[in-house]
Amino acid sequence: AQKVTQAQTEISVVEKEDVTLDCVYETRDTTYYLFWYKQPPSGELVFLIRRNSFDEQNEISGRYSWNFQKSTSSFNFTITASQVVDSAVYFCALSEYYGGSQGNLIFGKGTKLSVKP
Amino acid sequence: DTEVTQTPKHLVMGMTNKKSLKCEQHMGHRAMYWYKQKAKKPPELMFVYSYEKLSINESVPSRFSPECPNSSLLNLHLHALQPEDSALYLCASSQVGQGLRETQYFGPGTRLLVL
Repeated sequence: AQKVTQAQTEISVVEKEDVTLDCVYETRDTTYYLFWYKQPPSGELVFLIRRNSFDEQNEISGRYSWNFQKSTSSFNFTITASQVVDSAVYFCALSEYYGGSQGNLIFGKGTKLSVKP
Repeated sequence: DTEVTQTPKHLVMGMTNKKSLKCEQHMGHRAMYWYKQKAKKPPELMFVYSYEKLSINESVPSRFSPECPNSSLLNLHLHALQPEDSALYLCASSQVGQGLRETQYFGPGTRLLVL
């Protein structure tokens, strides 16, 4: 069965600290996609990144970076020099083939990040 | 433009009321989704429409009735809800294709309170 584990329920840091959010996944598929979404208190899920199982290159986007390691089934997310605006719940998700032409997202339980000024 | 809009933002309804949630996207996506999210939990898939046809129904009670009148609109009709149905209802849309890789874009949600 496919599963996403975000072991960190809540993390609290002080502004400008670096923080890493962990994501471990389980799947038997050789082709899959991994996603990170941000959910601020307003409620909207904001798409951050998509990664396919054949591309293990790390990615950097501004203060955000992602480390994908198939050997450990992990897709970790690092925020450098955190800011108060980064405070949100972050979800890691795995896309499985559900049927028809649509993939279903398997979400982790989320990590709540609080950045204090 | 990756915008999905949802109305209303907040809704309070009694258990005998009938109400509807509305979702709209203009990104040319042909797949649309309804999710339910309880507090401190991840979103749970309810329905998926693909090319305006219902393709996935996650055993949702019949008091929730989805409708996709056209490729840009998705409604969720609510009738005789229970207090435990109080939640954030999220709409999402995506391209249709090789489903695994299609990113879902979410709206801001409707916060529903059933009294």
